[in-house]
Amino acid sequence: EAQVTQNPRYLITVTGKKLTVTCSQNMNHEYMSWYRQDPGLGLRQIYYSMNVEVTDKGDVPEGYKVSRKEKRNFPLILESPSPNQTSLYFCASSSIVGDTQYFGPGTRLTVL
Amino acid sequence: AQSVTQLDSQVPVFEEAPVELRCNYSSSVSVYLFWYVQYPNQGLQLLLKYLSGSTLVKGINGFEAEFNKSQTSFHLRKPSVHISDTAEYFCAVSDGPGGYQKVTFGIGTKLQVIP
Repeated sequence: EAQVTQNPRYLITVTGKKLTVTCSQNMNHEYMSWYRQDPGLGLRQIYYSMNVEVTDKGDVPEGYKVSRKEKRNFPLILESPSPNQTSLYFCASSSIVGDTQYFGPGTRLTVL
Repeated sequence: AQSVTQLDSQVPVFEEAPVELRCNYSSSVSVYLFWYVQYPNQGLQLLLKYLSGSTLVKGINGFEAEFNKSQTSFHLRKPSVHISDTAEYFCAVSDGPGGYQKVTFGIGTKLQVIP
């Protein structure tokens, strides 16, 4: 089954404790992206990647890092989380040929 | 820079009535436009997209949208809604097909279908 998986689905952590949210897709897609969703603000793009070792900033990259060492994985790293990063995070992927963007189920992060 | 404006944050509509969800965009480059739907407690799912060609785009679940370049709009329509259409709808603009590069979403419109 074609899918994008994210782990963990729910996470409660404390300020400053480094964390990683994993994202993996099994569709051999070149393009992957991270978004955060906040009430009243919709989805905002954090980072995206056009292919392995190619990443670029979206609209709200501050406080986040990403890496793309393998085509299927695109982890989101919060080196020192802060309460304003409490949000619902989505990973997505699509083929470079251009078509549907597939979204993961979301990760709800709470930073205390 | 690109931006998306969804003019209505909430739209209540009676079952079997028509609905239009409005979306206006701005972009300095060629645009590719998308509508996504998010059902409660779920991820986003593509409803339809405009990349090029015919300005009237048909999507899943009976939805369609019309690209209007002069009015910079991409409004979503359905002639008769069902209870199952209750969800949040997001308009998005990208500078590449399939959301290659930067993708900007609107703040979303919550469609509430009233029985």
